[in-house]
Amino acid sequence: DSGVTQTPKHLITATGQRVTLRCSPRSGDLSVYWYQQSLDQGLQFLIQYYNGEERAKGNILERFSAQQFPDLHSELNLSSLELGDSALYFCASSVGLAGDRANTGELFFGEGSRLTVL
Amino acid sequence: KNQVEQSPQSLIILEGKNCTLQCNYTVSPFSNLRWYKQDTGRGPVSLTIMTFSENTKSNGRYTATLDADTKQSSLHITASQLSDSASYICVVSPRAGANNLFFGTGTRLTVIP
Repeated sequence: DSGVTQTPKHLITATGQRVTLRCSPRSGDLSVYWYQQSLDQGLQFLIQYYNGEERAKGNILERFSAQQFPDLHSELNLSSLELGDSALYFCASSVGLAGDRANTGELFFGEGSRLTVL
Repeated sequence: KNQVEQSPQSLIILEGKNCTLQCNYTVSPFSNLRWYKQDTGRGPVSLTIMTFSENTKSNGRYTATLDADTKQSSLHITASQLSDSASYICVVSPRAGANNLFFGTGTRLTVIP
């Protein structure tokens, strides 16, 4: 158990709909990352938050948005869903930012949310 | 351009055999390299971390090597078990910390009885 909790584990929805994925980081971790993994593909970095603020953006579509709340949990919102959005969405957390002595760079991943768009 | 390339893309071996997975990177400056194991449908889990000054590090039947001069790393699995079937992902950090990580696309290992 990594200590990172993601909900829901599975989600089936229709094209055009909107869904929200939720992530609770490990206790004490300030950074949250979201990754997308399509079938048989590598992990694609979407976005990172640190202590409530957006810190880095990857290949995140404009239809997608995220936020990190004061209690450090994060939500990834996916709207106007398309068939190609079907994927596993992983959340990961880490201690802090680059340069933090306590931060060895290890990411702790949740079990993922499997989204199926029909 | 900062890139991480892994080979082979996939590998099938018999239970009990050894195998070696490769990771070549062009990331610079370099801080550390991690190997993650990802079971099907699960989140990746860190196996080992290699820093600039380390050449070899073992974690049970897993041994990682690093050649910072040639920017190559390998993950050697000894006496493979069925539970080793997974994707193995190489992740390079250009500076201390978890930001700006560069992921390889992984090697899919299947161990058959």
